[in-house]
Amino acid sequence: KAGVTQTPRYLIKTRGQQVTLSCSPISGHRSVSWYQQTPGQGLQFLFEYFSETQRNKGNFPGRFSGRQFSNSRSEMNVSTLELGDSALYLCASSLTGDHQPQHFGDGTRLSIL
Amino acid sequence: GQQVMQIPQYQHVQEGEDFTTYCNSSTTLSNIQWYKQRPGGHPVFLIQLVKSGEVKKQKRLTFQFGEAKKNSSLHITATQTTDVGTYFCAGQSNTGKLIFGQGTTLQVKP
Repeated sequence: KAGVTQTPRYLIKTRGQQVTLSCSPISGHRSVSWYQQTPGQGLQFLFEYFSETQRNKGNFPGRFSGRQFSNSRSEMNVSTLELGDSALYLCASSLTGDHQPQHFGDGTRLSIL
Repeated sequence: GQQVMQIPQYQHVQEGEDFTTYCNSSTTLSNIQWYKQRPGGHPVFLIQLVKSGEVKKQKRLTFQFGEAKKNSSLHITATQTTDVGTYFCAGQSNTGKLIFGQGTTLQVKP
């Protein structure tokens, strides 16, 4: 069974640009969550999608948005990039999200110049 | 909002010594999960605790969930170099949101 796939693996952008990250969950998993990981802040929850609907949201500004498609694939968009957005963005999937293990992808490392 | 605090941030031990990391939530949790992230890797699920006072063991690892379901611990007996990595607790509230602690990075000297 294929794991969670995130693309691209690495990305370099400049301030003010926007970026879209992609996540393909494990087949059959309908819940997809996104996290931002930085050395100082650990794993910060961005949002969770289930059946194409945002079910939970963390405390990030509106520049961070996401969506989920009917095949459960998810995308995350960050607009007007800032230097502080440099981080590893991790996607995790689970069957339904509640009381279930999260299966993480390898992440997209985003660097803002 | 819900917060999950984890201590210590770093721990260096000699191989064979024990190791413990502690997790505290500001709110009562419906369950707590533990993950391990090796250097350069992604978090990997270790275990989930659901019941008040629950204790679970995986070989040299012992996981506990507090009676009030607001704290948890992970204890490793006789550490090995393969235990190196960052251990995260993640608490899930009734809203379903999974909030991670800051993690404890374990270094083991051979």
